[in-house]
Amino acid sequence: GQSLEQPSEVTAVEGAIVQINCTYQTSGFYGLSWYQQHDGGAPTFLSYNALDGLEETGRFSSFLSRSDSYGYLLLQELQMKDSASYFCAVGNQGGKLIFGQGTELSVKP
Amino acid sequence: DADVTQTPRNRITKTGKRIMLECSQTKGHDRMYWYRQDPGLGLRLIYYSFDVKDINKGEISDGYSVSRQAQAKFSLSLESAIPNQTALYFCATSDTLGRDEQFFGPGTRLTVL
Repeated sequence: GQSLEQPSEVTAVEGAIVQINCTYQTSGFYGLSWYQQHDGGAPTFLSYNALDGLEETGRFSSFLSRSDSYGYLLLQELQMKDSASYFCAVGNQGGKLIFGQGTELSVKP
Repeated sequence: DADVTQTPRNRITKTGKRIMLECSQTKGHDRMYWYRQDPGLGLRLIYYSFDVKDINKGEISDGYSVSRQAQAKFSLSLESAIPNQTALYFCATSDTLGRDEQFFGPGTRLTVL
């Protein structure tokens, strides 16, 4: 079967750095994606890793280790607007995404 | 205008009723998906379609059916709604470039009484 694990909740303060981890078990792994969702709104794409290493997009970075079936999303210089749910998702060659259960990030002043 | 639209945005219905949720997109994407979201369970794939003649079941297709009327339109039907189908439903689209970037509609909040 396929499964992903990520923490259910993370709390951090404004200006800090937070890391959200994701471990996965899947067949036919193609890549690891991250999505952000504010309060029941539409999920929006943040990043994608197909190869090992770090991808940086502004304040957000995403890391993948295929040998460890592990990735993380790193958010720097946290802002209040970063309070949201973050989902990791595994893609396979069948073109589908399997989503994790989501991590709710609360950013405190 | 939004690239992916869903109608209705909210719907309250009764057990046993037939319900159709509609999704339209102007992105020109071939791939379209229907997900449901329940609190604490993330997004689960109901059905997906890679072109007009291609329909595939996802993780939780029981109790649902779909129709791909055109490249731009993908509808989800609940033939006989039941209370545990109360959820937030999202439609999404993607292209075939392999970056796993899906574009989501605003969602339909469905309540089955």
